[in-house]
Amino acid sequence: AQSVTQPDIHITVSEGASLELRCNYSYGATPYLFWYVQSPGQGLQLLLKYFSGDTLVQGIKGFEAEFKRSQSSFNLRKPSVHWSDAAEYFCAVGAFNNDMRFGAGTRLTVKP
Amino acid sequence: DTAVSQTPKYLVTQMGNDKSIKCEQNLGHDTMYWYKQDSKKFLKIMFSYNNKELIINETVPNRFSPKSPDKAHLNLHINSLELGDSAVYFCASSLRADTQYFGPGTRLTVL
Repeated sequence: AQSVTQPDIHITVSEGASLELRCNYSYGATPYLFWYVQSPGQGLQLLLKYFSGDTLVQGIKGFEAEFKRSQSSFNLRKPSVHWSDAAEYFCAVGAFNNDMRFGAGTRLTVKP
Repeated sequence: DTAVSQTPKYLVTQMGNDKSIKCEQNLGHDTMYWYKQDSKKFLKIMFSYNNKELIINETVPNRFSPKSPDKAHLNLHINSLELGDSAVYFCASSLRADTQYFGPGTRLTVL
């Protein structure tokens, strides 16, 4: 089965600084890749997804992610973080049979 | 116009009880899921149903039984609740292997 690794459990950035959250996946075929965000006490909201085509994908709230097949990575980036971005971020890899596996999540703290 | 809804939002119960969590989606999706999120925020798929047919059944105790009366509903019944069942349970839905849309979660606390 596919798997996802998010190496950073917790990241702290200053408001206005740039952000990169790392995600590495393991899957034998072409993966479907997702980034979700979870605010405290809330469900998961999709930020962006990659199925095929352009390897740089744009999402909501100013986020983007780049699929790099050679590195099995799908890192999430944002050029300037806002205090409201503080949340838990999950990378996920899906298979053709709808089986989606999540990483352990990265908690983002934003300093004023 | 809630897309994926779950009831109840909070569920507090004693060990040994039987409880159910309901999920409904109004997105016209053909696949529905149950996930468990533990206290460390780790999300693990439990079940997946496509057109009322079970397609994913992870290593979950058989005390957990999903029931899908129709494509828009997937309920989770839990027998003989244990302390370790305390978690947040999320329902989700998708159209085949496309994006999964999540409900708001049900926080289950077993005392």
